[in-house]
Amino acid sequence: EIVLTQSPGTLSLSPGERATLSCRASQSVSSSYLAWYQQKRGQAPRLLMYDASSRATGIPDRFSGSGSGTDFTLTISRLEPGDFAVYYCQHFGNSRGTFGQGTKVEIK
Amino acid sequence: EVQLVESGGGLVQPGRSLRLSCKASGFTFGDYAMSWVRQAPGKGLEWVGFIRSKANGGTTGYAASVEGRFTISRDDAISIAYLQMNSLKTEDTAVYYCTRAIYSTPYWGQGTVVTVSS
Repeated sequence: EIVLTQSPGTLSLSPGERATLSCRASQSVSSSYLAWYQQKRGQAPRLLMYDASSRATGIPDRFSGSGSGTDFTLTISRLEPGDFAVYYCQHFGNSRGTFGQGTKVEIK
Repeated sequence: EVQLVESGGGLVQPGRSLRLSCKASGFTFGDYAMSWVRQAPGKGLEWVGFIRSKANGGTTGYAASVEGRFTISRDDAISIAYLQMNSLKTEDTAVYYCTRAIYSTPYWGQGTVVTVSS
């Protein structure tokens, strides 16, 4: 069973700063099945990225994804007030899905 | 507009059963796989399972934590996906979301709350 480990657990940054979030898989996975979500308190998750580096519809280009194999990254180039939230990576493979434990991006 | 509306949540005693429903609209339900994801209070997202479309065999897959206790089914005639939950445990307490597709989906319901407690 693949385990996704996200780091850091919490990222404290100011608006305008760059955020770099990591998602590491316990074994090599296909980047075709690696997604990122944003979740704000009390809301359902919002799809940001799919296939590791493709932005979902309506997602601004300050969000970007990269990586392959076991190491994947979500980068937010310039944080805006609405970006402070919890971020999850997700993988699907061998008829099983899994989420990372999440990274909270909070205002410093 | 794609809409997913979950229902059926509530308070249930450990060991009992509950069935959740996800009513879909705004798309051809039978063409899509459907999934369930849950979130325990104050915790992260946990993938629960999926059901493929009938054209893709209607097969299912489950997380290890629920396999053998939970069953996902679908009724394409009325555009509803179900999550049958048996032998419930206190650790099954969560908000349960249904989603369209198995992976990387922008379509989520608003969630229904399941509380397992004596």
